[in-house]
Amino acid sequence: DTGVSQDPRHKITKRGQNVTFRCDPISEHNRLYWYRQTLGQGPEFLTYFQNEAQLEKSRLLSDRFSAERPKGSFSTLEIQRTEQGDSAMYLCASSKESRARTEAFFGQGTRLTVV
Amino acid sequence: GESVGLHLPTLSVQEGDNSIINCAYSNSASDYFIWYKQESGKGPQFIIDIRSNMDKRQGQRVTVLLNKTVKHLSLQIAATQPGDSAVYFCAERGAGTALIFGKGTTLSVSS
Repeated sequence: DTGVSQDPRHKITKRGQNVTFRCDPISEHNRLYWYRQTLGQGPEFLTYFQNEAQLEKSRLLSDRFSAERPKGSFSTLEIQRTEQGDSAMYLCASSKESRARTEAFFGQGTRLTVV
Repeated sequence: GESVGLHLPTLSVQEGDNSIINCAYSNSASDYFIWYKQESGKGPQFIIDIRSNMDKRQGQRVTVLLNKTVKHLSLQIAATQPGDSAVYFCAERGAGTALIFGKGTTLSVSS
């Protein structure tokens, strides 16, 4: 499977713990996006990278959230001191930006439950 | 603000009918639009896209129409099948920004 891969698929954690999610984009895709989705809502943009540079961050991305893409390939999203409100599906997407094709492909997501 | 909305939260059709899912967007600067399909427990799946310099684009059983005058986007699914049952999202992107999604329309197809 050469699609976007996310790990883990599910994570249950206690409030106050730190969690880290990983995303492996489609090979040679230079853009990588993180979104959060809660039940019944559309995905909400968190942040995106162009290669290793983090170009935009949503105001939804509080100080407890940090994302990295150190070598311009895979990315990690860390949530520190998790809160129950962080429970959601965290989606990663990637795209190869060019004039012709800019569609973003999503992974299956990591479902986070904070208890 | 920049947001994308959908006219109807749910749409129920019979198998074999044509489905039309509508979306209104508010950012006149948006130049690229995508329709996604999302099944329960899965990530959004790309269906079809359209750039603002076009008003119609066709794929396999799907057609996207863009009306920039009224900032309206629609997805037409021909001969709807039970496997088309899912939540459908439209998303818009302005130059240099990420995709912004609406709330979604749940399509239910009955046999």
